[in-house]
Amino acid sequence: GAVVSQHPSWVICKSGTSVKIECRSLDFQATTMFWYRQFPKQSLMLMATSNEGSKATYEQGVEKDKFLINHASLTLSTLTVTSAHPEDSSFYICSARDEGRGIRNTEAFFGQGTRLTVV
Amino acid sequence: KQEVTQIPAALSVPEGENLVLNCSFTDSAIYNLQWFRQDPGKGLTSLLLIQSSQREQTSGRLNASLDKSSGRSTLYIAASQPGDSATYLCAVLYGNNRLAFGKGNQVVVIP
Repeated sequence: GAVVSQHPSWVICKSGTSVKIECRSLDFQATTMFWYRQFPKQSLMLMATSNEGSKATYEQGVEKDKFLINHASLTLSTLTVTSAHPEDSSFYICSARDEGRGIRNTEAFFGQGTRLTVV
Repeated sequence: KQEVTQIPAALSVPEGENLVLNCSFTDSAIYNLQWFRQDPGKGLTSLLLIQSSQREQTSGRLNASLDKSSGRSTLYIAASQPGDSATYLCAVLYGNNRLAFGKGNQVVVIP
């Protein structure tokens, strides 16, 4: 089945530094990928939609200058948390669909998630 | 705005019992509904996808029903096993191809 791979699975960084998280679709192409944030015992919150070859679309309240998204190819999207602070500590998950079968007809697949801890 | 609610938030059952997890959504104009499993500290694993035109889907011990008009879905897990312990998330695809998630049903199956 379709697989989405996310790396790293966890990262600890110092306050003020930047962290890059990668999301890859392994056996299908995706012009659109999605980045979510999840707080403990809460539902996933969509942060932004990553669009291959164009700018990402950010949800209301998400700082685009803090959460930089790049979707340089049909199989790779990256999320960079810039100048990270402790309040950015969270679980970040990416998602993609095999668009060749139609977005509304296919499952959404998720990466393994990245636990970011800013100290 | 689409809102998804999952009840109960948490439940514990003895091994062998059937599990019934409920999901409700406020806007019936959905494209599909998907059930996921999430283990602690992990990503989401897709369990079942139900298209808006379908009423149920089955995979092994799992069966999910969809009543779009009333905004409800139910996930049944037959003969539960300790390995079924996890959080189960319901999500609906709606609007501009957005997914709206519930907060999940946290399940513990007691050996």
